[in-house]
Amino acid sequence: EAQVTQNPRYLITVTGKKLTVTCSQNMNHEYMSWYRQDPGLGLRQIYYSMNVEVTDKGDVPEGYKVSRKEKRNFPLILESPSPNQTSLYFCASGREMNNEQFFGPGTRLTVL
Amino acid sequence: AQTVTQSQPEMSVQEAETVTLSCTYDTSESNYYLFWYKQPPSRQMILVIRQEAYKQQNATENRFSVNFQKAAKSFSLKISDSQLGDTAMYFCAFMNGGKGGSEKLVFGKGMKLTVNP
Repeated sequence: EAQVTQNPRYLITVTGKKLTVTCSQNMNHEYMSWYRQDPGLGLRQIYYSMNVEVTDKGDVPEGYKVSRKEKRNFPLILESPSPNQTSLYFCASGREMNNEQFFGPGTRLTVL
Repeated sequence: AQTVTQSQPEMSVQEAETVTLSCTYDTSESNYYLFWYKQPPSRQMILVIRQEAYKQQNATENRFSVNFQKAAKSFSLKISDSQLGDTAMYFCAFMNGGKGGSEKLVFGKGMKLTVNP
């Protein structure tokens, strides 16, 4: 089944404790992206990747890191999480920039 | 920078009726794509319909259709024969058609639709 998976689905952590949210797709898509969703703000792009070893900042990259060592994986790293990073995070992938993007199920992160 | 505006934060409709969700956008580009995404309580983002800006014909997908007015930069979604399962948040989104640079999906703030029995 073609899908985008994210782990964990739910995470409660404390300020400053490094964490990684994994994202994996099995559709051989070149393009992958991370978004965060906050009430009243819609979804905003954090980082995106056009292909392996090619990443770039989106609209709200501060406090986040990403890597793209393999085509299928695009982890989101929070080196020192803060409460303002409490949000719902989505990973997405697509075959080309302008085609449909497939979204993962979301990761609900709470930083205390 | 591109912006997407959904001016109606919330709407409700009776089952089997028709409802229209509005969306306007701002861009200086001529080649772009527009999307409507649905987010039910499960939080999954589901693509409802997409429209290429270079196509004059409005996109349709079963009960869902769009009214794309390029000159007015308007992209409304019409849901016919509303069903209880249509209850969800709906997001309008824009994507630049060019390659290279800062392409991304730019989302509106969303609109909550409730279908009442």
